[in-house]
Amino acid sequence: SQQGEEDPQALSIQEGENATMNCSYKTSINNLQWYRQNSGRGLVHLILIRSNEREKHSGRLRVTLDTSKKSSSLLITASRAADTASYFCATDTGTASKLTFGTGTRLQVTL
Amino acid sequence: DTAVSQTPKYLVTQMGNDKSIKCEQNLGHDTMYWYKQDSKKFLKIMFSYNNKELIINETVPNRFSPKSPDKAHLNLHINSLELGDSAVYFCASSQAPGREKLFFGSGTQLSVL
Repeated sequence: SQQGEEDPQALSIQEGENATMNCSYKTSINNLQWYRQNSGRGLVHLILIRSNEREKHSGRLRVTLDTSKKSSSLLITASRAADTASYFCATDTGTASKLTFGTGTRLQVTL
Repeated sequence: DTAVSQTPKYLVTQMGNDKSIKCEQNLGHDTMYWYKQDSKKFLKIMFSYNNKELIINETVPNRFSPKSPDKAHLNLHINSLELGDSAVYFCASSQAPGREKLFFGSGTQLSVL
């Protein structure tokens, strides 16, 4: 079964607006990661947040983690057309040497 | 200079054929993976190798056989291709198994006709 579920499945915003994507997961984690996938390309790692961290920033990205609610959010501020992509969360549960990916959010940023 | 490269990028073949996808990483990583992404963008791990040893083998038909000749290479051979095998297959690598960030190849789009 899928460990992570992203919400919303699709998001359309205008350039300059902020985009927020959420990820919920089912079991305890060691860390949670966010990846971006441009159309026809491989996934690119964006940010990793550990289970003992609550918030992390990287450039225009802000990630929060609430382990009590088993959820994370990715905020992209001042979005650009180049941010158009699918965004996936991935969790490491520590029980197996693998990352389990969520279902993804398709973000469309229009001019 | 591509960190994780896989070939071919596109593979179109008939049902029943056998095909291979090759993957190479030049990052010096110990761990490599194969992931399958279906038409709904659902990404699922298939196999993982650490230092040429198989460490993850998810519920994958035994028509799929990975081979790691050295820790920089992980190839995927698929026998008797079926329509349901059509998907995008991604190779990835990481410094260590599991919790580290993954570096992905650009994918191989397999279409079985």
